[in-house]
Amino acid sequence: NAGVTQTPKFQVLKTGQSMTLQCAQDMNHEYMSWYRQDPGMGLRLIHYSVGAGITDQGEVPNGYNVSRSTTEDFPLRLLSAAPSQTSVYFCASSYRETGNTIYFGEGSWLTVV
Amino acid sequence: KQEVTQIPAALSVPEGENLVLNCSFTDSAIYNLQWFRQDPGKGLTSLLLIQSSQREQTSGRLNASLDKSSGRSTLYIAASQPGDSATYLCAVPRRRTDNNNDMRFGAGTRLTVKP
Repeated sequence: NAGVTQTPKFQVLKTGQSMTLQCAQDMNHEYMSWYRQDPGMGLRLIHYSVGAGITDQGEVPNGYNVSRSTTEDFPLRLLSAAPSQTSVYFCASSYRETGNTIYFGEGSWLTVV
Repeated sequence: KQEVTQIPAALSVPEGENLVLNCSFTDSAIYNLQWFRQDPGKGLTSLLLIQSSQREQTSGRLNASLDKSSGRSTLYIAASQPGDSATYLCAVPRRRTDNNNDMRFGAGTRLTVKP
């Protein structure tokens, strides 16, 4: 059972470049989300989706874009990378309603130089 | 706006000791609270989920309690082992809604259990 799969694991970008972090889950979860984790700040929600074709902003959406064309996939796009986007990014999925167990991917380490 | 605080930020204990990790939140109108474990360089793994109607949940050597009125939760780890060394994070729903699973996380407590 693959669970939540994120790629790439590590990436170095130059300022201004764009890239897409991939996330896929095989548990038929309606809810998927992206968080970033910075030292001493816990995880902060970037974007989330409650089903295919539905996305919404979280706490820190600026500079990021998402789409949800299928139940399985939820890519995160960095439009024009900035050093402030250097972080660890986590994708998560669960059944929609609050109180369901949340499953996380292994993380994507992104450095913007 | 819901805020989650975890104290202490780091904790080091000798093997075998019982310990308590603390989590506090500002908005007591929560549906649930979850505790997660994060190993270095890895994602988060759900440990315990306490629904708002429950006072505690137990899994093996772990026991989590919830006091909504005071905005506090504790994670009790009995007979700690070096394998328990990790960062422990608590999380509560980000908004007063039950139709999505957005969470607000604390910054975590980094636990080291020394052999």
